[in-house]
Amino acid sequence: EVQLVESGGGLVKPGGSLRLSCAASGFNFNKEWMSWVRQAPGKGLEWVGRIKSNSDGETTDYAAPVRGRFTISRDDSKDTLFLQMSSLKVEDTAVYYCTRDLFCISTTCYSHNWYDPWGQGTQVTVSS
Amino acid sequence: DIQMTQSPSSLSASVGDRVTITCRASQSIDNFVNWYQQKSGKAPKILIYAASSLQGGVPVRFSGGGFGTDFTLTISSLQPEDFATYYCQQSYSIPRTFGQGTRVEIK
Repeated sequence: EVQLVESGGGLVKPGGSLRLSCAASGFNFNKEWMSWVRQAPGKGLEWVGRIKSNSDGETTDYAAPVRGRFTISRDDSKDTLFLQMSSLKVEDTAVYYCTRDLFCISTTCYSHNWYDPWGQGTQVTVSS
Repeated sequence: DIQMTQSPSSLSASVGDRVTITCRASQSIDNFVNWYQQKSGKAPKILIYAASSLQGGVPVRFSGGGFGTDFTLTISSLQPEDFATYYCQQSYSIPRTFGQGTRVEIK
């Protein structure tokens, strides 16, 4: 079964740091691009950033609100994705989801991706 | 950044109704639109990718269409399990962006 399980969320003070993890199983993690998406309380979905596969240089991209404060990384030996968050702000309070960037169904591939599957999410609360 | 605007923001409908949600992109994005369903307290789930392709396992009452800037998600006959929030998302450029969501409620 293809599965993603996030961990590491919690309560942190403004200006603090937190590292989220996402354990992947059921697919070839090292070949896939991965992303983080967050959802503030009562709000919609917001893309946080992505990391490409090792064969594509592990290049990262970030949304403007988190660029320079958040870092996405991966450990392919452990099938795990990370989100290092620093200089946290109250507005970073959200449920954080990890998800896979899917480009192919069976043998048909596209130039653009969609997100599947998603983890169950982990809550991050930034408050004094 | 590409803005994705959904309408309506919410709607009330009855079981068996045909429901259509629209999504407009701020610039042309070919068919690079995906649709997700999110039930309360749960992670989103992919329904439609590449504007009109049905993800495996998704009921055929769901369909998508459109190209360029205007896209639709249609539920042909609303079922009790379809009451949820639906999001469009563009994968044309970085940053990826989502619509604000459409909440489908029971009438």
